[in-house]
Amino acid sequence: GQQLNQSPQSMFIQEGEDVSMNCTSSSIFNTWLWYKQDPGEGPVLLIALYKAGELTSNGRLTAQFGITRKDSFLNISASIPSDVGIYFCAGLRNSGGSNYKLTFGKGTLLTVNP
Amino acid sequence: GAGVSQSPRYKVAKRGQDVALRCDPISGHVSLFWYQQALGQGPEFLTYFQNEAQLDKSGLPSDRFFAERPEGSVSTLKIQRTQQEDSAVYLCASSSSREQFFGPGTRLTVL
Repeated sequence: GQQLNQSPQSMFIQEGEDVSMNCTSSSIFNTWLWYKQDPGEGPVLLIALYKAGELTSNGRLTAQFGITRKDSFLNISASIPSDVGIYFCAGLRNSGGSNYKLTFGKGTLLTVNP
Repeated sequence: GAGVSQSPRYKVAKRGQDVALRCDPISGHVSLFWYQQALGQGPEFLTYFQNEAQLDKSGLPSDRFFAERPEGSVSTLKIQRTQQEDSAVYLCASSSSREQFFGPGTRLTVL
């Protein structure tokens, strides 16, 4: 099935560093969501974006909904060891009546070295 | 409960066996979704319920996959005559808006 283009595939950083990851698509999405998944668990919602150009923060996390509606990025500032995990972007379209069907990226594996 | 729960958390099946995976959504959530997550991939949509009505089953890989939500709450995903390619994590999510909240998943291994 179709998935979003998410990059980088993996990152290895030092504690305290800032992190940036992004997602792109050839199609327009009307909602962008960012999830974090720990091993053996389901994805946990971090941030939801509903309007093109929107910039939203949640603690050390900041995400933006691209103005073309075809991309989004997630920044994590001052990383800590518990930020380790897989981060997924996901999008919702309004086309074809399927405005409930999430399309996911392949994920970014983040490793933080204490 | 406070979140989406799924059972069992792990299931090992011999090829050809039938399995049933259960999802308890967040209380009051009208929408319920099943996703399949292969190793190293993001989740992929399987099917969608609004209350007891299955409105979209376009993601189900074959007619061996069947989902139901008879009373608009608990849902069951059934896989008949399991094959090795069915091995994956099966995630359930529920929603009352555009935000979907996921359960911990059931990891299915078919030998």
